[in-house]
Amino acid sequence: SQQGEEDPQALSIQEGENATMNCSYKTSINNLQWYRQNSGRGLVHLILIRSNEREKHSGRLRVTLDTSKKSSSLLITASRAADTASYFCATDAVGAQKLVFGQGTRLTINP
Amino acid sequence: DVKVTQSSRYLVKRTGEKVFLECVQDMDHENMFWYRQDPGLGLRLIYFSYDVKMKEKGDIPEGYSVSREKKERFSLILESASTNQTSMYLCASRAPSGGTDTQYFGPGTRLTVL
Repeated sequence: SQQGEEDPQALSIQEGENATMNCSYKTSINNLQWYRQNSGRGLVHLILIRSNEREKHSGRLRVTLDTSKKSSSLLITASRAADTASYFCATDAVGAQKLVFGQGTRLTINP
Repeated sequence: DVKVTQSSRYLVKRTGEKVFLECVQDMDHENMFWYRQDPGLGLRLIYFSYDVKMKEKGDIPEGYSVSREKKERFSLILESASTNQTSMYLCASRAPSGGTDTQYFGPGTRLTVL
């Protein structure tokens, strides 16, 4: 069963604006990861945040994690047309051997 | 860089055919995974393997089997393809938990069953 659920399912913004995507999950985790998928391609790892971390940055990406609310957010600042893709969160649950992926947020950046 | 390759990007098969999807990784990862991805359903785990000759069922194993004879290679087998197995198939590999934890994906195989 899918644990991570992204919100919104689809997001369309203008180039230069910030994009925020949210992920909720249900059980205790070791870490939470965000992946990106360009149309028709495989997923690419973006960033990992561990359960004892609250915020992490990588370039224009900012990820937050609130373990009390079992939620995470991915912020992409100063969006570009090339950021158009689907974004997935994946949870590494305690005691599990596998990641569980959400259904993804489809992000469209309009030039 | 880790590289995960899949044998075909696009594949067209007929109902009832036996289909082999091959996946190879070059980072000596113990864990390998097969997913299918369908619109509105996200990624669903079919099977995974955490060692040679070991396999575990995922969330939707029905109609599929797998083979892991060598560490670097994980094959997905559709014994008798059906039209409802038309989908994008993604392979991934990962170091054991406690390592990098990152999962590396292949480019995907888009399978059409007619």
